[in-house]
Amino acid sequence: DVKVTQSSRYLVKRTGEKVFLECVQDMDHENMFWYRQDPGLGLRLIYFSYDVKMKEKGDIPEGYSVSREKKERFSLILESASTNQTSMYLCASPPRDRVSHEQYFGPGTRLTVT
Amino acid sequence: GENVEQHPSTLSVQEGDSAVIKCTYSDSASNYFPWYKQELGKGPQLIIDIRSNVGEKKDQRIAVTLNKTAKHFSLHITETQPEDSAVYFCAASIRASGGSNYKLTFGKGTLLTVNP
Repeated sequence: DVKVTQSSRYLVKRTGEKVFLECVQDMDHENMFWYRQDPGLGLRLIYFSYDVKMKEKGDIPEGYSVSREKKERFSLILESASTNQTSMYLCASPPRDRVSHEQYFGPGTRLTVT
Repeated sequence: GENVEQHPSTLSVQEGDSAVIKCTYSDSASNYFPWYKQELGKGPQLIIDIRSNVGEKKDQRIAVTLNKTAKHFSLHITETQPEDSAVYFCAASIRASGGSNYKLTFGKGTLLTVNP
C-alpha cells in the first residue's frame, strides 16, 4: 500500500511564528505536492517538487516556501504565519509511473494560526 | 492556466437514488480526469478516473463520462448508500514544467448527502 504521512494532524501556532509541515512518502516517488483546502474553494496547489532539491510554484505560493532535501520528504514552510493561513494542508504524491497521474494523499494537517 | 468548475456544491439524495456531479474544464490539453472522495477527517481518495481517449468508464455503481468536445465530464453514482455521503472532487491533469511532469487542478467540491 502506498503511504503518505504527515507529521501532525492538528497544529496551533501564533501569528509570526515559523511553521514547518512535514510530508513523507515511502514509495520512492519523485513527485510530491502541497495543497491547502478551504471550504468552498476546494484544493489549491501551493508548491510541488519533481525531484530532490527541485521545486515549482503552484497556484498560491505567496507566504510559503518548500524544502526537498531527500526524496522521501517534502516540507512546507510558513516563514511568518498569519491568520489567513489557517487551513487544512494536504500532501500528495503520484506513483513513479508518470503515465498514471493519480495522486495519493496524506491525512492532512489542520493548522490554526491565532 | 487550467480552470475546473464543479456543480452542484451540495447534493442531497434519498438512499437508492442516483447522484450526478458535473465538471467543466478550460484547457483542451488536459488529458486525465480523476474523481476523489473525501470522508470526514481523511485525505481525498481516488475512486475513478478517465483518460481523454475514452468516453465512459464504469466501476460497479460508479461511472464517469467525458465529452472532450464540450470539455465536460461527469460522475454518476447509482443505487446510492449512506456510506456514499462525502465530499467529491473532480480534477483535470495538465503538464507542469519540464514536459514530463503533471499537476492536477481541482474543482471546488460537492458535498453529497445520502439520506436513509
